[in-house]
Amino acid sequence: AQSVTQPDIHITVSEGASLELRCNYSYGATPYLFWYVQSPGQGLQLLLKYFSGDTLVQGIKGFEAEFKRSQSSFNLRKPSVHWSDAAEYFCAVGASTGFQKLVFGTGTRLLVSP
Amino acid sequence: DAGVIQSPRHEVTEMGQEVTLRCKPISGHNSLFWYRQTMMRGLELLIYFNNNVPIDDSGMPEDRFSAKMPNASFSTLKIQPSEPRDSAVYFCASSGDRANTGELFFGEGSRLTVL
Repeated sequence: AQSVTQPDIHITVSEGASLELRCNYSYGATPYLFWYVQSPGQGLQLLLKYFSGDTLVQGIKGFEAEFKRSQSSFNLRKPSVHWSDAAEYFCAVGASTGFQKLVFGTGTRLLVSP
Repeated sequence: DAGVIQSPRHEVTEMGQEVTLRCKPISGHNSLFWYRQTMMRGLELLIYFNNNVPIDDSGMPEDRFSAKMPNASFSTLKIQPSEPRDSAVYFCASSGDRANTGELFFGEGSRLTVL
């Protein structure tokens, strides 16, 4: 079974600074990987996804993530953070075989300081 | 296009009362998932359906919880009787991409408070 670890519970970044949120997964084959964002009082919105091909994927709101098989990682990055990016970010992994059931990490809460 | 629609958005009830949460998935999606989110436990998958059939309900906490999907456009999650520890945000999500990648589309959630 697949699993996801997000080692950072909270991260604070200054507005305009770069951001990297960490995600490590465990799965025996090539996984399907996702990053979701949750603003307060809202549901989860898909930022980006990786299925195959180019290991650097672009998403909405200027986010990107890179799949590194050797490190079992799928870290989320943004070159310049805006105050509106303050939210909770969830990494999720799906199996590439069998019926789909996403497993979510525990989330990283991003705080943006002025 | 309409997304996943959940109701009610907020529910406050007293311990022992029955609670029914409702979900309308995105039209054409064939999988539906119920999640519960709490500060302590994060996002937990309670149950999911494929083509209206429950596939895995191992996440349902106990017999007080039940879920149904009578047709492709409607699902309910029922708690009877409710307890304070059931207080959480309950999310419904649907999926239906032909590549079967598991991408989920979430509703805005139902925030349940049991007093």
